[in-house]
Amino acid sequence: EADIYQTPRYLVIGTGKKITLECSQTMGHDKMYWYQQDPGMELHLIHYSYGVNSTEKGDLSSESTVSRIRTEHFPLTLESARPSHTSQYLCASSAIGGAKNIQYFGAGTRLSVL
Amino acid sequence: ILNVEQSPQSLHVQEGDSTNFTCSFPSSNFYALHWYRWETAKSPEALFVMTLNGDEKKKGRISATLNTKEGYSYLYIKGSQPEDSATYLCASNTNAGKSTFGDGTTLTVKP
Repeated sequence: EADIYQTPRYLVIGTGKKITLECSQTMGHDKMYWYQQDPGMELHLIHYSYGVNSTEKGDLSSESTVSRIRTEHFPLTLESARPSHTSQYLCASSAIGGAKNIQYFGAGTRLSVL
Repeated sequence: ILNVEQSPQSLHVQEGDSTNFTCSFPSSNFYALHWYRWETAKSPEALFVMTLNGDEKKKGRISATLNTKEGYSYLYIKGSQPEDSATYLCASNTNAGKSTFGDGTTLTVKP
């Protein structure tokens, strides 16, 4: 079983609030990812990181930001939540080059912005 | 093929039926193809990692094949069971470390 954790699992919040979605892994993986997924749609990569102090934007433009101060921690922040941010957010990690980049996923955070 | 495409989008079968679905991916800069199973209320979990043209992998009743020259992979489930109900995702990885996921095939197995 993968050791990657996301909190909270569910979040309902009002427009304009600042939120941080937490993601932590205990596998020592260098590479971490954030995906956004709307119902019935594919996973869209919004952020990734190769290691500490490395953050890159993914394929899908996002108003969220991320930080990577520690290897095990990759939080995602929305400064001012809007209804358009309602979605499921999945965090994942992988060992660079390990098992051909296979990713281990957290359970996801379902965000609803009212 | 520019993106990763999966078909069908959804599939409903009876318990005991065998089924298969397809993942198409760009064959240029190919590095690895991953299949994941995503059960409701759980995290996606890796099923197979395939890298070589002609690779065949098997785990119980589930197997997968890979054709890197034409850019497709098939996932087969023999004798489907209700516990096989899930969304099956494929992801193509380039040699630059980029992963692109398909939309998934959602399988429902009726008892």
